Amino acid sequence: NAGVTQTPKFQVLKTGQSMTLQCAQDMNHEYMSWYRQDPGMGLRLIHYSVGAGITDQGEVPNGYNVSRSTTEDFPLRLLSAAPSQTSVYFCASSYAGGPGNEQFFGPGTRLTVL
Amino acid sequence: AQKVTQAQTEISVVEKEDVTLDCVYETRDTTYYLFWYKQPPSGELVFLIRRNSFDEQNEISGRYSWNFQKSTSSFNFTITASQVVDSAVYFCALRLYGGSQGNLIFGKGTKLSVKP
Repeated sequence: NAGVTQTPKFQVLKTGQSMTLQCAQDMNHEYMSWYRQDPGMGLRLIHYSVGAGITDQGEVPNGYNVSRSTTEDFPLRLLSAAPSQTSVYFCASSYAGGPGNEQFFGPGTRLTVL
Repeated sequence: AQKVTQAQTEISVVEKEDVTLDCVYETRDTTYYLFWYKQPPSGELVFLIRRNSFDEQNEISGRYSWNFQKSTSSFNFTITASQVVDSAVYFCALRLYGGSQGNLIFGKGTKLSVKP
């Protein structure tokens, strides 16, 4: 099992560029989420999905888009990058059925927007 | 509204000292889970423990122990005889049942520095 994988690990963008952060899991988890981590802010939820074809917004969704066409993949799209989106992005997955299920995190993507 | 507060932003101790990281949570739900995660300097998030709201037993795992008290809405984490390898940012998190509440609500983290 590879667990949760994220690509790329590092990315530098210019303001206005678009890109997709990839996230994949091989554990057949229903729940997948994207968080961003900023200094002194902890992790904040961007978008989440409870299964293929179902997504919803989290705490800080503006400027981001997601889709979930398969159970395994949950890409995060930055439509027009802004310096405020400079952050470390974590993807996570878990089984559904209750909050006691451990969320498994990917290694993170460090994004810098100039 | 749900919230997790880690009032200690940074803590610095000398190796072998005991240290307690505080976590206070807010929720109106009666059923929930609490978690602690460790984020070492390498950046990954490492799961440490989960505790459900019906289980107030303290937990000990080696040098780590956790004290869960529903009466004060606290889930504190103690490291006994700290070591340099314990240096990390530690996050406390809350998770509720169902839908959007199935996701983790994180505190802002406590950065622990253990000096030799």
